[in-house]
Amino acid sequence: AQSVTQPDIHITVSEGASLELRCNYSYGATPYLFWYVQSPGQGLQLLLKYFSGDTLVQGIKGFEAEFKRSQSSFNLRKPSVHWSDAAEYFCAVGSPGTASKLTFGTGTRLQVTL
Amino acid sequence: GAVVSQHPSRVICKSGTSVKIECRSLDFQATTMFWYRQFPKQSLMLMATSNEGSKATYEQGVEKDKFLINHASLTLSTLTVTSAHPEDSSFYICSANSGSGTTDTQYFGPGTRLTVL
Repeated sequence: AQSVTQPDIHITVSEGASLELRCNYSYGATPYLFWYVQSPGQGLQLLLKYFSGDTLVQGIKGFEAEFKRSQSSFNLRKPSVHWSDAAEYFCAVGSPGTASKLTFGTGTRLQVTL
Repeated sequence: GAVVSQHPSRVICKSGTSVKIECRSLDFQATTMFWYRQFPKQSLMLMATSNEGSKATYEQGVEKDKFLINHASLTLSTLTVTSAHPEDSSFYICSANSGSGTTDTQYFGPGTRLTVL
């Protein structure tokens, strides 16, 4: 069974500082990997996804993530955080194929201090 | 593109009543939609997978008679919480699968906050 671990429940960074949110997955083959962001009381917005190819994936809002098979990781990064990035971030893994179900991590809450 | 809407965004109802939540894919056809439940400060829990024109597939522990799902068209799925009780209060989120061969992506609706009094 596939699973996702987000080790950090809560992270606080200063505006302008760099950010890295960790995500580790467990899956028997190469999974589909996603990062979503959720603002309070809102649905989820897709930041980026990895299916295959280049292991460094660029997303929206200046985010990127790198797939590292050897470490079973898909960490999310941003070089300079903005106050508006404060939100909950979810990593998810899906199995290749149509109508794949996603398994979500428990989320990391990002707080940005001014 | 790939916009998913949900209606209503918030609903408050009395215990024992039924509540219907709609999920629509606005600019694409979704053969598969998913319904999730999210408790405060927790992750999303998949409740069921809804396929157009067929019965929904429920996850273990989810009562199918309690949470009725209908996927009547390629752009609409509905979740009906029957005989709602306070423990059903939660944030319900749907997603629609924008599949193109094997490169599937789920796009999520804004969620529905259900409060049962």
